[in-house]
Amino acid sequence: QLQLQESGLGLVKPSETLSLTCTVSGGSISTSTYYWGWIRQPPGKGLEWIGTIYYIGSTYYIPSLKSRVTISVDTSKNQFSLKLSSVTAADTAVYYCARHRWGGATTYFDSWGQGTLVTVSS
Amino acid sequence: QSALTQPASVSGSPGQSITISCTGTSNDVGSYNLVSWYQQLPGKAPKLMISEVTKRPSGVSNRFSGSKSGNTASLTISGLQAEDEADYYCCSYVSSNTWVFGGGTKLTVL
Repeated sequence: QLQLQESGLGLVKPSETLSLTCTVSGGSISTSTYYWGWIRQPPGKGLEWIGTIYYIGSTYYIPSLKSRVTISVDTSKNQFSLKLSSVTAADTAVYYCARHRWGGATTYFDSWGQGTLVTVSS
Repeated sequence: QSALTQPASVSGSPGQSITISCTGTSNDVGSYNLVSWYQQLPGKAPKLMISEVTKRPSGVSNRFSGSKSGNTASLTISGLQAEDEADYYCCSYVSSNTWVFGGGTKLTVL
């Protein structure tokens, strides 16, 4: 059974870089069928797609964050990571990693991590 | 890239049917049959309920169904049950390889 687990610091200072890692277990990240995504949810608010990566390194980002976001993959560790630079309080959110099906005539997020709260505060 | 528009809240009594709308534009919902729906219970991660507008993943109750007309997609829950009380989000593929979620709808079972 596929499982995803987010890890990283829960408190980040303004202007610094948020770093999170998603560890995938129960399946290989190097699959041609799936991509891997990051989604966030500010407290009491809705979901926002941040970006998606394919195991060979192709990346896709939300335009509003593109200048600050980097998503990378480490196939040897079955992990993918998120870095968000120059954070502000507006980046405080629960961050989810998810398996992202995308191909042919289909796309959806079908397996999610439990989420991790990242607070931006001095 | 603006969030898809969903009603903030809907409610219904047990046994009734409710429909949640998700309105986008011709750049997202209107152009692609790539709308998915997610259920989020309090304090939990979202769960996929519908993909490609109408498809139910294995294990999802057939009380959940999806449809689309023009720029608006809809999620219908029939035979409402107390366990359906949750937040629901739609999501659509957008041209240029990006995705957008709706603002979310809180479903209350009266």
